[in-house]
Amino acid sequence: DAGVTQSPTHLIKTRGQQVTLRCSPKSGHDTVSWYQQALGQGPQFIFQYYEEEERQRGNFPDRFSGHQFPNYSSELNVNALLLGDSALYLCASSLERRTEAFFGQGTRLTVV
Amino acid sequence: GEDVEQSLFLSVREGDSSVINCTYTDSSSTYLYWYKQEPGAGLQLLTYIFSNMDMKQDQRLTVLLNKKDKHLSLRIADTQTGDSAIYFCAEREKNYKLSFGAGTTVTVRA
Repeated sequence: DAGVTQSPTHLIKTRGQQVTLRCSPKSGHDTVSWYQQALGQGPQFIFQYYEEEERQRGNFPDRFSGHQFPNYSSELNVNALLLGDSALYLCASSLERRTEAFFGQGTRLTVV
Repeated sequence: GEDVEQSLFLSVREGDSSVINCTYTDSSSTYLYWYKQEPGAGLQLLTYIFSNMDMKQDQRLTVLLNKKDKHLSLRIADTQTGDSAIYFCAEREKNYKLSFGAGTTVTVRA
């Protein structure tokens, strides 16, 4: 079992650009959540996808959007990048209504 | 409310026990979690406890929950150098979202 995999591992973008991050959940998991972890802070919830729909959303602007595919993999898109979007972006997968949420290694996004 | 608070740093001698404390505010939280993060890595799930339990033990890890005071602790017995990391406490709200604390950096000294 490969666990939760995220790509790419590192990314450098320029202010104003757009970025797409990808996540493959743990085998058998149907729910994907995205978190942003700024340096020195705990992860902050962005949104969660289940059955290809955004089920809930944290306090992030509309520049942050996502998608879940029929195979349960997911993408996080961020438009009009700001310097403050520089962070580690973590994907977590879980099975609907089950307890454990498992995280991937994250994508380190640097906006310059 | 969804504030989770942790002390920022803990230094412990190798072989001693570590105790990491956390307070949370959402009394409707169903599960509480402890995650470990090593430098440059993602989060590793260590253990979790259901909100109607007081204690859970898993090998070197013991979780204590005081629901009345909304206080959670993680005890690591016989702390090793490999336990040096950042430890996050998280609460799961009814809508399945996880709210994390800022993390406690544990340093194990020889």
